[in-house]
Amino acid sequence: DAGVIQSPRHEVTEMGQEVTLRCKPISGHNSLFWYRQTMMRGLELLIYFNNNVPIDDSGMPEDRFSAKMPNASFSTLKIQPSEPRDSAVYFCASSFRGPGYTDTQYFGPGTRLTVL
Amino acid sequence: AQTVTQSQPEMSVQEAETVTLSCTYDTSESDYYLFWYKQPPSRQMILVIRQEAYKQQNATENRFSVNFQKAAKSFSLKISDSQLGDAAMYFCANSGGSNYKLTFGKGTLLTVNP
Repeated sequence: DAGVIQSPRHEVTEMGQEVTLRCKPISGHNSLFWYRQTMMRGLELLIYFNNNVPIDDSGMPEDRFSAKMPNASFSTLKIQPSEPRDSAVYFCASSFRGPGYTDTQYFGPGTRLTVL
Repeated sequence: AQTVTQSQPEMSVQEAETVTLSCTYDTSESDYYLFWYKQPPSRQMILVIRQEAYKQQNATENRFSVNFQKAAKSFSLKISDSQLGDAAMYFCANSGGSNYKLTFGKGTLLTVNP
């Protein structure tokens, strides 16, 4: 069974450009999470979707960041315009949240973003 | 609020030996879960083991086991017969109840010496 799929694996862009990160969760999972990992701040939750609906976006740094989940099998995280301080590894994770389930989050391989 | 503390920034172990990584946590939830994730140099976050707080029995997955002390809010990971492939950053994490968020510790970097 395929795990969480993220693309691209690496992205190098220049300041001011738009960046779009993509995620395909594990089939059957109803919860999706976007995290950011940096040396300074560790792993931070950016946004959480449940049944394709954004439940908590309080971790999104600012208006330059937006996320969508148009269907159960696809989500995007967009940064526009990008800044050097956005350089980080971005992870997508999915889980099944419901009675009787441990709600374990499974992570994708991450996207390493470098903004020059 | 949930907090997770890993007091050992780095640990090392000889191949085939046993090592224990420490983790303490704090949560206001009565029903919660605890996890250990491994992050090798490839940066993939890999689930190692999980523990449901309502279960008294400590979780075990092959060479990996936990010592869950609920009253002390302690959740340590024991790796037996350490292998070179176990070298990685290990993160302890907590979630549960109404709090869907995974709260991570800062990690412990494990080195395995041949």
